[in-house]
Parts: sequence; C-alpha cells; structure tokens
Amino acid sequence: AQSVTQPDIHITVSEGASLELRCNYSYGATPYLFWYVQSPGQGLQLLLKYFSGDTLVQGIKGFEAEFKRSQSSFNLRKPSVHWSDAAEYFCAVVYGGATNKLIFGTGTLLAVQP
Amino acid sequence: DAEITQSPRHKITETGRQVTLACHQTWNHNNMFWYRQDLGHGLRLIHYSYGVHDTNKGEVSDGYSVSRSNTEDLPLTLESAASSQTSVYFCASRDSGGNEQFFGPGTRLTVL
Repeated sequence: AQSVTQPDIHITVSEGASLELRCNYSYGATPYLFWYVQSPGQGLQLLLKYFSGDTLVQGIKGFEAEFKRSQSSFNLRKPSVHWSDAAEYFCAVVYGGATNKLIFGTGTLLAVQP
Repeated sequence: DAEITQSPRHKITETGRQVTLACHQTWNHNNMFWYRQDLGHGLRLIHYSYGVHDTNKGEVSDGYSVSRSNTEDLPLTLESAASSQTSVYFCASRDSGGNEQFFGPGTRLTVL
C-alpha cells in the first residue's frame, strides 16, 4: 500500500543548529512531494513542494528539501534553526491517477532549545 | 483575498448527537477534502469531492457523510457522534489542475 514514513516522532535541536527531518515514501513511480508545517493550534502551511526537475527544492522560511529517488526520500533541512521553527512538520505525497489523493506521514514534532 | 474557513472552531457535543462541521472556500476550487488529525496518525482522509454532487469515501469514512450542493461548501456530518470521533478536523481545497491543497484552520471536536 502507498505510505509515507516519518521515522522521528520528536526531535529537539538547539537554536542555531542545523536540522534535518526525514521522510520516506513507498511507491514505484515518483509522486508529488510536500512538506507542511503546523504551529500549535494552527492549520497547515505549505513549506515547499516537489513535482519534477531540480531535486533540491527551496521553500519558505529558509527550508529546503532534497528528493532522492534511489532512497525514496524527501528530507527537509534548514541550516540554522530559529526558536519560531518549533512546530509539527508533516511530509505528504500525492500519487497520480484518478484519485490523486494526498497521503500524510504521522508528523515530526520539533522542539527548539535556547 | 480568497480563503478557506471552517466553523465552528471548537465544538463540544454528546455521544449520539448529530453534528455538522462547515467548510467554505472562496477560491472556486472543484476539489475539496476532509481530514481528521489524531496523535500518532497524522492526517487521515475522511471524504472528498471533485465537484458539485460528487462525493467519495476516504480511508476513515465510517460514521461520517458529506454533501456537495455548490462549489464553495462541503459540510461534514457526524450522524451519531461517538467518543472515537473526538479529533481535530481539517478541510482543504485544491484546483482541478493543481496538486497543492490549501487547508482551513481546523475544528476541534470533543465528543463526551
């Protein structure tokens, strides 16, 4: 079955440190890939997306993600984390075809230490 | 500006009652979706619609129904609320030609 895996439920980093959040998907073809962020009590905001082309994608708030077909991964990175980045991050994929539905990972909760 | 709104933002109800959560978007998107968000599960698709009078079941549709009488609205109804339906519910919409979904602010539903 089609699925998205975020192996890290909770991550804590120090402010100013680099960040990498992992995302793996299971599917034969290349899906469309997304990262969303959810601040406490808020809805989901799109950080970045990958459809095709350059495998390194730049998003908002200084985030980037790299699509690696060989590893079925789409990891999110940020070189220097700010306290305001504390939130929950969701990886999601859209598989093509008639349904074209969005499937989410279970999320990674990011805490930022001063 | 175009937007997607949900109401109410918070709702407390009792087991067995019928509850309807509203979702309204002003983007004129054909595609609309309802998700529930639970700890350890991320967001799971309840129902979705690709246009007026079209509705489809998602992966967790039992106990929920939707109707689509116009482009702007996709209300979600819990026919007989159960405690297992305590959750945060998100509505989303997407243009037919696109793959990005835009999310509403969510409704926190508590079933006592």
